[in-house]
Amino acid sequence: QKEVEQNSGPLSVPEGAIASLNCTYSDRGSQSFFWYRQYSGKSPELIMFIYSNGDKEDGRFTAQLNKASQYVSLLIRDSQPSDSATYLCAVKNTGTASKLTFGTGTRLQVTL
Amino acid sequence: GAGVSQSPSNKVTEKGKDVELRCDPISGHTALYWYRQSLGQGLEFLIYFQGNSAPDKSGLPSDRFSAERTGGSVSTLTIQRTQQEDSAVYLCASSPQGGWQPQHFGDGTRLSIL
Repeated sequence: QKEVEQNSGPLSVPEGAIASLNCTYSDRGSQSFFWYRQYSGKSPELIMFIYSNGDKEDGRFTAQLNKASQYVSLLIRDSQPSDSATYLCAVKNTGTASKLTFGTGTRLQVTL
Repeated sequence: GAGVSQSPSNKVTEKGKDVELRCDPISGHTALYWYRQSLGQGLEFLIYFQGNSAPDKSGLPSDRFSAERTGGSVSTLTIQRTQQEDSAVYLCASSPQGGWQPQHFGDGTRLSIL
């Protein structure tokens, strides 16, 4: 079992719709969770981070964390073509001296 | 600049040669990380530096890989006797401290081994 799992996609949503990106993790002791956006040929860009159960909103982005289910998601409201990218879920595990464990990413396509 | 700076942006070298990759973290960030991203793969942790503490080298794939961080700022990742499987994008990230704080990435070095 991979430590951090994401559906590779592509996830295709029409412009203006809500995109829902999901991530599960295996280490129950994981403490902090990050979503990065990566455009093709570019480096990862931090979008959101969340530490506590529940929802965290920032503009069009909402991160949701459910530690009991070991599940973290990213919702993108009013999706725009510029949101088309690969979204990487990253988890910081306990006792691993701060390294991030990444999923392989979900490719999002926002269609006109 | 204000972000993490990496050089070179691209490096092409022959199998068996040594390469050095450089990372200049965001000013004031004490934590520095190296990752690599192979085609179609997720990011793989390589090594972590925090202040003057001993680095966490647990992700280095072989003894051909080493890294230094001099003066608590600039870091160099060295790959000796490069192999074709070393071809990847090598990404550096920094954060204000270690722990839970988010990491910010540089643009990476794309390494191609012929």
